[in-house]
Amino acid sequence: ETGVTQSPTHLIKTRGQQVTLRCSSQSGHNTVSWYQQALGQGPQFIFQYYREEENGRGNFPPRFSGLQFPNYSSELNVNALELDDSALYLCASSLAGRENTGELFFGEGSRLTVL
Amino acid sequence: GQNIDQPTEMTATEGAIVQINCTYQTSGFNGLFWYQQHAGEAPTFLSYNVLDGLEEKGRFSSFLSRSKGYSYLLLKELQMKDSASYLCAAPNTGGFKTIFGAGTRLFVKA
Repeated sequence: ETGVTQSPTHLIKTRGQQVTLRCSSQSGHNTVSWYQQALGQGPQFIFQYYREEENGRGNFPPRFSGLQFPNYSSELNVNALELDDSALYLCASSLAGRENTGELFFGEGSRLTVL
Repeated sequence: GQNIDQPTEMTATEGAIVQINCTYQTSGFNGLFWYQQHAGEAPTFLSYNVLDGLEEKGRFSSFLSRSKGYSYLLLKELQMKDSASYLCAAPNTGGFKTIFGAGTRLFVKA
């Protein structure tokens, strides 16, 4: 049990709609990263949040945005959904710090289907 | 830039040994990870190498050569439950962004 929980687990949207995905990080972890995983591919880095601020971003357009809250939980928002946004969205928590190896603890993911 | 390459698929027989290779190019080096991902599930941590050499953990071992930008995951005494995708991953300098390979899908047959 990783302790990282995501909701919802599955959802279906139509093109142009907006979606919010939620993540609760593992107890004691202060950093949350979001990944998009298309079928048969590896996870693609979207962005990372640390201390409620974006700490790095991958090659995703601005319609992908996020938040981190004081309790380290996080949201991923995607506006103007496109068919290619259909994927598994993974949240991963970690502990920033000098002794941290960078190991990621993943939630089970939210599977988004855009019709 | 950063790039990670690994084979797309491999098939092996129950009880055998399989080696999954990974080559990487990273801006700086901050360790090399292997994760296991069963179909429909989240990736889970298998191993971490930051120094050259072999790290052994039960049936799984991971090797790293920093000078060659090369790693492999060795799975011994294969079991059917080892059928999964194996992801090679490397954090960038600063550790805020971990790059994943596309994963190697391992099929273990009886």
